[in-house]
Amino acid sequence: AQTVTQSQPEMSVQEAETVTLSCTYDTSENNYYLFWYKQPPSRQMILVIRQEAYKQQNATENRFSVNFQKAAKSFSLKISDSQLGDTAMYFCAFIPRVQKLVFGQGTRLTINP
Amino acid sequence: EAGVAQSPRYKIIEKRQSVAFWCNPISGHATLYWYQQILGQGPKLLIQFQNNGVVDDSQLPKDRFSAERLKGVDSTLKIQPAKLEDSAVYLCASSLVRDTKAFFGQGTRLTVV
Repeated sequence: AQTVTQSQPEMSVQEAETVTLSCTYDTSENNYYLFWYKQPPSRQMILVIRQEAYKQQNATENRFSVNFQKAAKSFSLKISDSQLGDTAMYFCAFIPRVQKLVFGQGTRLTINP
Repeated sequence: EAGVAQSPRYKIIEKRQSVAFWCNPISGHATLYWYQQILGQGPKLLIQFQNNGVVDDSQLPKDRFSAERLKGVDSTLKIQPAKLEDSAVYLCASSLVRDTKAFFGQGTRLTVV
C-alpha cells in the first residue's frame, strides 16, 4: 500500500525560528515525486516544494528546504526564519508512478509572534 | 492566470437530500481531481479524470456519489442521498497531463445535518 505518515499533529514555534516537519512514506516504486503542500484557513492547497525521487539534491525554495532520504523513505520540510504567514496546515504528499496524489494526515503549524 | 474555480463555497443540507458541486479547472488542464477532506484528515482522492474519461474512481462511493466531466472541461460532483458522514471539504484540483504539479481550488465545505 502507498501511504504517507506525518507523526507530528501539531507544532508551534516563535517567529524567526527554524522548524522542521517530519514525513515518512511507503512505496515499492523507484520513481516518484514528493511534495509539501500548505493549507491556510482559506482552505486552498498551495504547493510549497516538490522533489523528484531520482534527484539526490535536496529541493530548495527560498526559506523552504527539504531533507530527502530515499533509503529511509523520509522527506522532512525545514522552514527557516519562520513568519506569521507560515501558520497553516502542512501536508506531505507523493505521486507514485500511477500518478495518484496521496496525502498524509497533516501537521498544524503555528508561528507565534 | 485564473485558478481553479469551485462553487459554492459553503453548503448546508439535511441528510437524505441531494447536493452538487461545480469545478472549473485551469484552462488547458486535461487532468481533473475531486478530493474529500474530512476535518482533521488529509485529502482523499474520490475520482480522477483525464479529459472526459475516468482514470481512477476506486474510492468513490458509487451508491451515492457520481461525477461527470462533459466536454472535458467543467466537472460536477453529486451526492444523492447525503449522509452525516459526508460532511467534509470537497476539493477540486487540475493539472497538465503528465505534470505532477496540481493546482487546487478553495473547496466547498459541506455540512450535512
